[in-house]
Amino acid sequence: SQTIHQWPATLVQPVGSPLSLECTVEGTSNPNLYWYRQAAGRGLQLLFYSVGIGQISSEVPQNLSASRPQDRQFILSSKKLLLSDSGFYLCAWSLAAQETQYFGPGTRLLVL
Amino acid sequence: AQSVTQPDIHITVSEGASLELRCNYSYGATPYLFWYVQSPGQGLQLLLKYFSGDTLVQGIKGFEAEFKRSQSSFNLRKPSVHWSDAAEYFCAVGAGYSSASKIIFGSGTRLSIRP
Repeated sequence: SQTIHQWPATLVQPVGSPLSLECTVEGTSNPNLYWYRQAAGRGLQLLFYSVGIGQISSEVPQNLSASRPQDRQFILSSKKLLLSDSGFYLCAWSLAAQETQYFGPGTRLLVL
Repeated sequence: AQSVTQPDIHITVSEGASLELRCNYSYGATPYLFWYVQSPGQGLQLLLKYFSGDTLVQGIKGFEAEFKRSQSSFNLRKPSVHWSDAAEYFCAVGAGYSSASKIIFGSGTRLSIRP
């Protein structure tokens, strides 16, 4: 069966520091991968999605970036964090030809 | 482009009472529809989905949803809620098969259970 992992679970970072969040999927090949952000008490905002290695599409302009160095690895990064980057970050995967997305446990980021 | 609306931000029901969470969508063709549940501090878990066929869909944890094309709705129901059902519920609509399948999520409905 497929599983999706996110690391770390919780992160507290100062403003201006770099960021790297990792998402890995097991048990499937060539998945579509997604990064979402969920601000406190808010819905989900799609940040990036990827249909293959090195292929990244950005949904909203921001100081975050994403990379997919391996088939089942998706990384969310920032060179300098802003206070507004605080939130709950969710990674998800889906099969390319289907629509159901399966979510990881999330990373809670607090920027101080 | 597709969109989805959850008109209720917060609902409180008594334990053992029935539940209906509303979801309306906008899409030109037959949509793919989903309900997800999120417990505090957790990821989203798929409750059920509708792709085609029977318009009444059964999901996990005793939930069901009915697709009504004429009303552009996909409301979630449960005949008797349990305290453990307290969570955030998200309706979502997909745009059909594509090389980069994307889902649009509603803003969510927070469900509280009254003892």
